Amino acid sequence: AQSVTQLGSHVSVSEGALVLLRCNYSSSVPPYLFWYVQYPNQGLQLLLKYTTGATLVKGINGFEAEFKKSETSFHLTKPSAHMSDAAEYFCAVSPPNDYKLSFGAGTTVTVRA
Amino acid sequence: EPEVTQTPSHQVTQMGQEVILRCVPISNHLYFYWYRQILGQKVEFLVSFYNNEISEKSEIFDDQFSVERPDGSNFTLKIRSTKLEDSAMYFCASRLRPVYEQYFGPGTRLTVT
Repeated sequence: AQSVTQLGSHVSVSEGALVLLRCNYSSSVPPYLFWYVQYPNQGLQLLLKYTTGATLVKGINGFEAEFKKSETSFHLTKPSAHMSDAAEYFCAVSPPNDYKLSFGAGTTVTVRA
Repeated sequence: EPEVTQTPSHQVTQMGQEVILRCVPISNHLYFYWYRQILGQKVEFLVSFYNNEISEKSEIFDDQFSVERPDGSNFTLKIRSTKLEDSAMYFCASRLRPVYEQYFGPGTRLTVT
């Protein structure tokens, strides 16, 4: 079975500051890992994903995440926060041969001017 | 860009009534999913559907729930007799193949009174 833990339900950053959202997973097999973003009153939009290969993955809107197998982590970062980054962010995991995503509880990001 | 669409955006129903939530997945996708998110809780997997049959379902997906792909374009979730605890945001998702990411619709907010 897979599970995802997102540390911190709320993160507040200043505009221009580093955004760091933490995600740890547990999985019996090397998983596929995802970050989704949800803007108010909208659906889930994929930011980036890791399946195989390079462990540092780049996504949309300047976000990137690094898969660290030894730490079972897939933390999301963005060097410089923008007001438009205010949203809820979800880390998700699925086994390679499975069909469903298991989501973390989400982290709400607010950006201060 | 192709997108998953869902109707209605908001459905209010009385306890015990049947509801049908509708989704139009991306046209060439082969795998279809329903997830739900109760307010303040994690996004939870309900069911996956492939080749006109259910691939996997969660414990939540009991006999009150059913899914159908009636015409090759729509993908529906039916709740036969709604309960108060069915109130949630329901997301439809689709993907081309297992290795590809899931694309989510904007969700239907179901309120059971």
